[in-house]
Amino acid sequence: GESVGLHLPTLSVQEGDNSIINCAYSNSASDYFIWYKQESGKGPQFIIDIRSNMDKRQGQRVTVLLNKTVKHLSLQIAATQPGDSAVYFCAENIEGYSTLTFGKGTMLLVSP
Amino acid sequence: KAGVTQTPRYLIKTRGQQVTLSCSPISGHRSVSWYQQTPGQGLQFLFEYFSETQRNKGNFPGRFSGRQFSNSRSEMNVSTLELGDSALYLCASSLRPSPNTEAFFGQGTRLTVV
Repeated sequence: GESVGLHLPTLSVQEGDNSIINCAYSNSASDYFIWYKQESGKGPQFIIDIRSNMDKRQGQRVTVLLNKTVKHLSLQIAATQPGDSAVYFCAENIEGYSTLTFGKGTMLLVSP
Repeated sequence: KAGVTQTPRYLIKTRGQQVTLSCSPISGHRSVSWYQQTPGQGLQFLFEYFSETQRNKGNFPGRFSGRQFSNSRSEMNVSTLELGDSALYLCASSLRPSPNTEAFFGQGTRLTVV
């Protein structure tokens, strides 16, 4: 498969563990955030989003937490599975602009 | 329904040449955005089109251009290719202009400039 990043931070977990992937953003004017998952050879896939008027949002096995005070975003994956192995990107949108700014990504490796 | 389709999947060009990449969005989606992905810079926004109009452009030189057709299909063109243009070029489509809406990405076109 294609490599999407050669020097990404890597999180290695065991199957069944909970995973937490972190992201720091820089612009306090950012008002919308998205987490994407990118598997080797594929384009990014939407996981979950959150607006700045929320602190937490839950999906299926995933939870996103937003701490605006320290400009920090996290993605929690419950009961991590080998199929969750991928690169995870956070993306932010600045209010009034139509584009997304992506983070560098974190590689999640899940061992059976 | 069919996803976002990008063609070609792989491309090898030499320096100085030009290249045209194509993106067919999901049926009914009118917004198309292009991104460049490299190991060093990550995902960087190139441009966004909605209803044949460019809504926004990223910080790339004028060698990078794009357009959108009436059927929402989009093309991007890179002229006078440089080695540093080697990257995965991703297209994303959405119902409405980004962001505030879920964007669906294609598999990308892997461009190698030699």
